[in-house]
Amino acid sequence: DVKVTQSSRYLVKRTGEKVFLECVQDMDHENMFWYRQDPGLGLRLIYFSYDVKMKEKGDIPEGYSVSREKKERFSLILESASTNQTSMYLCASSTRTGHQPQHFGDGTRLSIL
Amino acid sequence: QKEVEQNSGPLSVPEGAIASLNCTYSDRGSQSFFWYRQYSGKSPELIMSIYSNGDKEDGRFTAQLNKASQYVSLLIRDSQPSDSATYLCAVNLNTGFQKLVFGTGTRLLVSP
Repeated sequence: DVKVTQSSRYLVKRTGEKVFLECVQDMDHENMFWYRQDPGLGLRLIYFSYDVKMKEKGDIPEGYSVSREKKERFSLILESASTNQTSMYLCASSTRTGHQPQHFGDGTRLSIL
Repeated sequence: QKEVEQNSGPLSVPEGAIASLNCTYSDRGSQSFFWYRQYSGKSPELIMSIYSNGDKEDGRFTAQLNKASQYVSLLIRDSQPSDSATYLCAVNLNTGFQKLVFGTGTRLLVSP
């Protein structure tokens, strides 16, 4: 089974802090994704990566950056956290070959106070 | 027009009934389609994939795809209270990346 592990289930940070969310997958997947999910807005893609050191902006990249130094790890960084970044953050991975689905981690519920 | 559209619901069905969830998409070049189930406070879980026109069955679940009409549906037979969740439709855009576009989901309520 695919295993996508996010470092924290719940996280509370303060406005202006630099926040790191970590995601690790164990299936040697090329593609990794970061989403946020808010009530009524569904899943929105923040950034994705299709290879080590490669990154592409998604639909809502403002206020975020990412890092992919190793194939199995994809980090999301909130440079200066703001209250409107309070959300559920979901990491996913998929293989590049064929029409394969994405597999999600358990999510991190982030609160910015 | 949204790329992937779903009725937000809630769709209420009694236990044992068939639940029918629908999804339409705008990109005619889309090649793969997925249904995810998401319980409240949890992450999406893949339950069905479908790539060709027609029906695909897996246990109590049947996915149906009609590319000409650009819709995909999910049928849940013998619905159980444990099926109560939000069901997300996801479509793989016709790009080089495995990038999915998600609908906002349909909330299903199965009453005992």
